[in-house]
Amino acid sequence: ETGVTQTPRHLVMGMTNKKSLKCEQHLGHNAMYWYKQSAKKPLELMFVYSLEERVENNSVPSRFSPECPNSSHLFLHLHTLQPEDSALYLCASSQKVQISGTGVREQYFGPGTRLTVT
Amino acid sequence: QKEVEQNSGPLSVPEGAIASLNCTYSDRGSQSFFWYRQYSGKSPELIMFIYSNGDKEDGRFTAQLNKASQYVSLLIRDSQPSDSATYLCAVKIPNSGYALNFGKGTSLLVTP
Repeated sequence: ETGVTQTPRHLVMGMTNKKSLKCEQHLGHNAMYWYKQSAKKPLELMFVYSLEERVENNSVPSRFSPECPNSSHLFLHLHTLQPEDSALYLCASSQKVQISGTGVREQYFGPGTRLTVT
Repeated sequence: QKEVEQNSGPLSVPEGAIASLNCTYSDRGSQSFFWYRQYSGKSPELIMFIYSNGDKEDGRFTAQLNKASQYVSLLIRDSQPSDSATYLCAVKIPNSGYALNFGKGTSLLVTP
């Protein structure tokens, strides 16, 4: 166990459904991330929340909407998804370093949510 | 987007041999580098990180970094069948406090 939990572990949803993925970290970190992992593709960073700052990958469709109510919890709200959105969605957390810093702040991943859109 | 390149493999080595996994990156300003291991159906787990030129050893694992040539490698000594997994190279994005670029990963198969 890495100290990062995700629920649900598996989710099947239709294209018209609305669902949410939940992530919780117990490591005292101050940055949390959503990644998408599709077959044969690199891990794709979707969103970062760090000290009340949100950074997003501009290529992520608006049907994915993140929410970070506090430093320990992160949600990914899903609506009107497409079959190509089927993938493993991974949450991670780390400590944020200063932008100009060279300090290492490794990321720890949760077990992921396997999402299938039908 | 800056690239992190890995040979997808599979890389097959016999049990007890040294497995050598390589990664190249395109952004010369990159400073921190990570190796993750991912078993099939599981999430990535951190093995090692390195940010200084040279070698860093941790048990059977050695990370090697050459910033001039822009490559980082992972050596696994005395490879075991349990080391069979996909190994992901990740590079901290310069001028970002936290974001990483990942390679596609190299699949390693250790045969008994």
